[in-house]
Amino acid sequence: QSVLTQPPSVSGTPGQRIFISCTGTSSNIGGGYHVHWYQQLPGTAPKLLIFDNDNRPSGVPDRFSGSKSGTSASLAITGLQSEDEADYYCQSFDTSLTATVFGGGTKLTVL
Amino acid sequence: QLQLVESGGGVVNSGGSLRLSCAASGFFFNDFFMTWIRQAPGKGLEWLSYIGGTGSTISYAESVRGRFTISRDNAKDSLYLQMTSLTAEDTAVYYCARRIRGGRYFDLWGQGTLVTVSS
Repeated sequence: QSVLTQPPSVSGTPGQRIFISCTGTSSNIGGGYHVHWYQQLPGTAPKLLIFDNDNRPSGVPDRFSGSKSGTSASLAITGLQSEDEADYYCQSFDTSLTATVFGGGTKLTVL
Repeated sequence: QLQLVESGGGVVNSGGSLRLSCAASGFFFNDFFMTWIRQAPGKGLEWLSYIGGTGSTISYAESVRGRFTISRDNAKDSLYLQMTSLTAEDTAVYYCARRIRGGRYFDLWGQGTLVTVSS
């Protein structure tokens, strides 16, 4: 059971916009801690996708965006492409656990 | 070239020990907190431990505290994870990752090394 809750899977068709949610508590996201997102393509290491809630590292397309409100965060992907098919993880810090915490991951399928 | 390369994974018997290494290159290693994160087969990511640039700041996840020891050798640009009392639940791909300065996210990851604990 992950501290941050993500839907196990989402799907969409090419060109569509999808959202992946990440729900926490007042001990992590709701406590003001930033949310970060990673993309893990099949058989590879995770790659930083969004940092500090809504910032993109250099090289990440602007089709990817993040937001945060209250105890939840969301990753949006617009103009869905087949190469976006991957697992996506949210990450934050939990002050009760004094630990970095991840969501359980969401598998994105592009139909 | 900016990269992290893990090594030391393999098959170990339950109750055994293993030491993982992570070689860093392309950046000033001393300046960064470094972290170990693992991923069990078909499962999500689990943060394990971090160590500060000088090695004086260390933290562990509850699941490995007392069994795993993180360390670093800045002269060799290397990070280590000594793992003891291993169980089947420790079977995973182990990643080292660089924590961004002033933040709590990971901007550089290694390719991972697989540890399999055989019962």
